[in-house]
Amino acid sequence: KAGVTQTPRYLIKTRGQQVTLSCSPISGHRSVSWYQQTPGQGLQFLFEYFSETQRNKGNFPGRFSGRQFSNSRSEMNVSTLELGDSALYLCASSAGGASLHEQYFGPGTRLTVT
Amino acid sequence: QKEVEQNSGPLSVPEGAIASLNCTYSDRGSQSFFWYRQYSGKSPELIMSIYSNGDKEDGRFTAQLNKASQYVSLLIRDSQPSDSATYLCAVNMGAGTALIFGKGTTLSVSS
Repeated sequence: KAGVTQTPRYLIKTRGQQVTLSCSPISGHRSVSWYQQTPGQGLQFLFEYFSETQRNKGNFPGRFSGRQFSNSRSEMNVSTLELGDSALYLCASSAGGASLHEQYFGPGTRLTVT
Repeated sequence: QKEVEQNSGPLSVPEGAIASLNCTYSDRGSQSFFWYRQYSGKSPELIMSIYSNGDKEDGRFTAQLNKASQYVSLLIRDSQPSDSATYLCAVNMGAGTALIFGKGTTLSVSS
């Protein structure tokens, strides 16, 4: 079974621009979560989508948004980029049932904001 | 504020020894606990999940959970240089699958 895929793998953007990242979950998985990883803050939860609905949201500003499509693929968008948004953005997929919380991560998208 | 705490390390052990990694969490209602391994420059890889008090063994790995003490640990037996990585403790603390991660413990296994 193929793993979680993320595109693009690397991005360089300028302050003030916006960016869209894409994630395809493991086949059959309905839950997609997004995390931001930085050296200082570690792994922080952004949001989770299940069956096209946002089920949970972390403590990030409204510049960070996401969506999920009917095929469970997900995108996240960051508008008005700031230098502090430079990070590894990780997508994780899960079967999403009440007791099936195991999450499997994709390779990540490395975003650099200059 | 829901928190997961880990000793950042580095934890250094010789090859063949047992490595013991520890984690505490703040939310007494937490139900699901996970250990991830992350090599430098790579994404986290799930190595263990544990849901009930006690021990769970998988190969050289044993996860231990004590909900009364809000404590979860990971033992790695017969440590190998290839086990050198950062180990992340993660806890599910609410509805859905959102995880709260500790900052990770760096393990170094010397040959």
